[in-house]
Amino acid sequence: DSGVTQTPKHLITATGQRVTLRCSPRSGDLSVYWYQQSLDQGLQFLIHYYNGEERAKGNILERFSAQQFPDLHSELNLSSLELGDSALYFCASSVGLGEGLGNTIYFGEGSWLTVV
Amino acid sequence: AQSVSQHNHHVILSEAASLELGCNYSYGGTVNLFWYVQYPGQHLQLLLKYFSGDPLVKGIKGFEAEFIKSKFSFNLRKPSVQWSDTAEYFCAVNPQTGANNLFFGTGTRLTVIP
Repeated sequence: DSGVTQTPKHLITATGQRVTLRCSPRSGDLSVYWYQQSLDQGLQFLIHYYNGEERAKGNILERFSAQQFPDLHSELNLSSLELGDSALYFCASSVGLGEGLGNTIYFGEGSWLTVV
Repeated sequence: AQSVSQHNHHVILSEAASLELGCNYSYGGTVNLFWYVQYPGQHLQLLLKYFSGDPLVKGIKGFEAEFIKSKFSFNLRKPSVQWSDTAEYFCAVNPQTGANNLFFGTGTRLTVIP
């Protein structure tokens, strides 16, 4: 158990719908990351929040958005869903920002999203 | 373009065989390097990491990796694999550009035959 908690574990929804994935980081971790794992794209970094503020964006679609709340949990919102959005969405957390401090990123078990 | 390459997509070994999985990256400057393992149906787990110092890094479950800066490589090794090592292995790079983000290779699926 990495200490990173994600809900829901599985989600099936229809095209055009909107879903919210939730993540609680490890206790004491200020950074939260979202990654998408799909068969055709592999593991891709989506977005990084640190202590409530967006720090970096990766290959995140405009239909997707995220936020980190004062209690440090994070939500990833996926809207206007398409079949190609079906994937495993991982949340991860780390203590800080890295930059040579050697912060290790720990992953949650992921949320399986199936769009039908 | 900057990337992380894992050239072996699927490796099949018999138990007790030795393992080496290749990882090359194309980021310049200082990098932190990681190997993660994903067992079937499970999340990514950290096997080992390199930040600085001894380029030969030992991780959990008997795995080790060697950072060769001149070759931009961080290959994963295990002298004797077990059936329980069957999993997908991901190499990841943190390019230390000011954001603590990981960029992953495409993964190598390891199947160990008992």
